[in-house]
Amino acid sequence: DQQVKQNSPSLSVQEGRISILNCDYTNSMFDYFLWYKKYPAEGPTFLISISSIKDKNEDGRFTVFLNKSAKHLSLHIVPSQPGDSAVYFCAQFSGTYKYIFGTGTRLKVLA
Amino acid sequence: DAGVIQSPRHEVTEMGQEVTLRCKPISGHDYLFWYRQTMMRGLELLIYFNNNVPIDDSGMPEDRFSAKMPNASFSTLKIQPSEPRDSAVYFCASSHSGRVGHTEAFFGQGTRLTVV
Repeated sequence: DQQVKQNSPSLSVQEGRISILNCDYTNSMFDYFLWYKKYPAEGPTFLISISSIKDKNEDGRFTVFLNKSAKHLSLHIVPSQPGDSAVYFCAQFSGTYKYIFGTGTRLKVLA
Repeated sequence: DAGVIQSPRHEVTEMGQEVTLRCKPISGHDYLFWYRQTMMRGLELLIYFNNNVPIDDSGMPEDRFSAKMPNASFSTLKIQPSEPRDSAVYFCASSHSGRVGHTEAFFGQGTRLTVV
């Protein structure tokens, strides 16, 4: 069974500090992971991805870390900005070409 | 390209009525996905198509739900009869498999369905 879990429904962070969003997965057969950001009344938009040949991928203020032995990935946002306030979903791409999403974490960056 | 286009953006209907949600994927994309967003389950995959053929509909909650993709540029998700517990935001997404592997999925803006 392929499951993706985001155990923190919400997170508040001060502007300028680091935001860390976490995600756990159960099936290690599938090795490509994505993070999406979702603003209210909009569809999710792709943010950053990582494949299992790497343990880190960086894009500007956003870095995703993958810990294969723990079946865990995390998204770091440094420095956090008020415009980063959104719901963040992690997803696992399966070999059958489908994307399995977690339940999301609502990030609030306080000015 | 205008991206994935969904209609309507909002739908309010009475219990027992038929509801049809529509989606136009990005041109050239060969995969199309229907998701439902709820607080409890997050983004839940309902069904997906490859080259207009349904591949996996195991996420469709009940027989009241059906989806079709008559051609590469159009898909529908139908609920008949609708029930209040179907109230949610429904998203359509598309992606391109390509020769070098997959791409990310691109989402539409969603349809907020309210069944009263």
